[in-house]
Amino acid sequence: GAVVSQHPSRVICKSGTSVKIECRSLDFQATTMFWYRQFPKKSLMLMATSNEGSKATYEQGVEKDKFLINHASLTLSTLTVTSAHPEDSSFYICSVPTGPYLAKNIQYFGAGTRLSVL
Amino acid sequence: DQQVKQNSPSLSVQEGRISILNCDYTNSMFDYFLWYKKYPAEGPTFLISISSIKDKNEDGRFTVFLNKSAKHLSLHIVPSQPGDSAVYFCAASPAYSGAGSYQLTFGKGTKLSVIP
Repeated sequence: GAVVSQHPSRVICKSGTSVKIECRSLDFQATTMFWYRQFPKKSLMLMATSNEGSKATYEQGVEKDKFLINHASLTLSTLTVTSAHPEDSSFYICSVPTGPYLAKNIQYFGAGTRLSVL
Repeated sequence: DQQVKQNSPSLSVQEGRISILNCDYTNSMFDYFLWYKKYPAEGPTFLISISSIKDKNEDGRFTVFLNKSAKHLSLHIVPSQPGDSAVYFCAASPAYSGAGSYQLTFGKGTKLSVIP
């Protein structure tokens, strides 16, 4: 069964609206979750590291005011794309790492959210 | 600068034959390597991994080989099946040394098509 649940799977919204994406860890208590973005024919690009109980850590070039991350509990992280514009249209994926609780650093991914901004 | 490279964007293989997907990396701090499989409009699914202390790891039809001196790894699928058709991502991470050190760096992926 799924280890990570991500909702919604698809969002179509008008330019200027905000969109919230949820990522739930079903099997692990996750003090850390990752948010990725994938452009067509490109690799998964890490956007930010979501930290439970503290501020997220953003990768260089990612606007923290644009992509708000809230990690309110050990099982839930949310990514809010604020005032979305067409260039924000992309495939957003969250992941939960099994490290350091296990020796192996395996990340389990959500199913992803396809965001289309009109 | 890409630290994990998958130089073949696509690969076509006949059903029953071997599929070999290649991956090169540049960061000598990488200690752990993973392969993920991804279908369209879905998140990646973990397939197989290998630690730098090994040179081979096998799981059913999937085998990953690691050549540390060449900074190269490969995924072998034998025999290939039509259901294996997907995009395969190579990923790498450094040894765990504190928060954030288990971030993964991904290659661009190789689209495998297994022809019946």
